[in-house]
Amino acid sequence: KQEVTQIPAALSVPEGENLVLNCSFTDSAIYNLQWFRQDPGKGLTSLLLIQSSQREQTSGRLNASLDKSSGRSTLYIAASQPGDSATYLCAVDSSYKLIFGSGTRLLVRP
Amino acid sequence: EAQVTQNPRYLITVTGKKLTVTCSQNMNHEYMSWYRQDPGLGLRQIYYSMNVEVTDKGDVPEGYKVSRKEKRNFPLILESPSPNQTSLYFCASSLRSLLGETQYFGPGTRLLVL
Repeated sequence: KQEVTQIPAALSVPEGENLVLNCSFTDSAIYNLQWFRQDPGKGLTSLLLIQSSQREQTSGRLNASLDKSSGRSTLYIAASQPGDSATYLCAVDSSYKLIFGSGTRLLVRP
Repeated sequence: EAQVTQNPRYLITVTGKKLTVTCSQNMNHEYMSWYRQDPGLGLRQIYYSMNVEVTDKGDVPEGYKVSRKEKRNFPLILESPSPNQTSLYFCASSLRSLLGETQYFGPGTRLLVL
């Protein structure tokens, strides 16, 4: 049974820092991995999608990597800003459903 | 604007009173699904639909029903709600089947069953 774990559960950093969020999964037979952002009272916004054949994806200050063989993905956020404060969720696409991690709650202090 | 909408956004009800949460998307997506989000348990899939008249169970389907009579709508039905169905519910859609497609999520429906 696929399980997705995110570490750390919460993170507080000063503005301007580069940071890395971690995601691990137990079954490497995935079709893709997605990173989402969730703001309080709002839905999930897709940030990056990495296909199983890819190693990384980039969008602006965000870079996500995928290592299927080791069951790991990282989300790198460069030059963090207070507006980046949110909960970040990773999810693996496994047989017609997304399996989510429990998220990392990020606070970027001004 | 391309979006997934859910109604209502907030709902308080009592045990046993049937309710329906609507979900609609305007992107002509084939795939739609419902998730519930609970503290400590994360998001779990309830039901999904590959296309009109094609639905299947997710991980936690007990106590829920769905229908997909039109491509744009995917309502979630609680025939006899119970307190353990108190949760935050999300509808999601993608262009085709889930594989390799970006998922678009609705804003969520917060349900409290007394």
